[in-house]
Amino acid sequence: DGGITQSPKYLFRKEGQNVTLSCEQNLNHDAMYWYRQDPGQGLRLIYYSQIVNDFQKGDIAEGYSVSREKKESFPLTVTSAQKNPTAFYLCASSIPGAQPQHFGDGTRLSIL
Amino acid sequence: SQQGEEDPQALSIQEGENATMNCSYKTSINNLQWYRQNSGRGLVHLILIRSNEREKHSGRLRVTLDTSKKSSSLLITASRAADTASYFCATDDSSASKIIFGSGTRLSIRP
Repeated sequence: DGGITQSPKYLFRKEGQNVTLSCEQNLNHDAMYWYRQDPGQGLRLIYYSQIVNDFQKGDIAEGYSVSREKKESFPLTVTSAQKNPTAFYLCASSIPGAQPQHFGDGTRLSIL
Repeated sequence: SQQGEEDPQALSIQEGENATMNCSYKTSINNLQWYRQNSGRGLVHLILIRSNEREKHSGRLRVTLDTSKKSSSLLITASRAADTASYFCATDDSSASKIIFGSGTRLSIRP
C-alpha cells in the first residue's frame, strides 16, 4: 500500500528541548512538504523540498529545521527556538510543482 | 501568505441537501484544488481544476471556476453524514512550485 507515514501520532516537548517528527513516503514522489495547522485554521507551509538534498523555507520556517538525505524521508525538527510549538503537524508529498498532494495523518505536538 | 479564502467559514445542513462552498483568490492561477479533512486526520485530495476549465465533476462533487471573478465553488449533492469534514481550496503560487491553502469551510451534516 503506497502512502505517507508520520510518527509519532502524539508528541510532548519539554521546555528547551528539540523534538523530531518523522515523515516517510513510499509513493516515489520527489517533492515533500511540512505544514503546521492550528485549531480551526488552515495549513501554513513550514519547509518544502523538491528534490533530495535540497529544501526551501516556507512561510513560517523560524524555529524549525529539516533534512532531505533520502527521497523517502523528510524529518522535521522543532527546536527550542520555536516558542509556540503546540499544533498539528502535517507532512505531504507530490510530484514536483503545484500538484495534488498526498498527506500523512499528522503528529499532534504539545508542551509539557 | 494566504491566497484562497473560503466562504462560509462554517455550514450546517440537513442530510440529503446540497452543500455549496466558495473560494476566492487574489492572483492569477494555473490550477485550483479542493481537499477534505476529517477531524484529526490528514487532508485528502478531491479534485483539481485547471485555469482553462470552467466545470469539473467527480461523483457527487461539482467544481466550477470563474477566473474573471477569481473564484471557485464546490458543490456536494445529496449530502451524507460522512461528508462532515472541513473543506479547503488551494491554489498554486506565482512560481507554480507549491500550493497555498485557504482557511477552510467546516461542514456539518445533520441527520
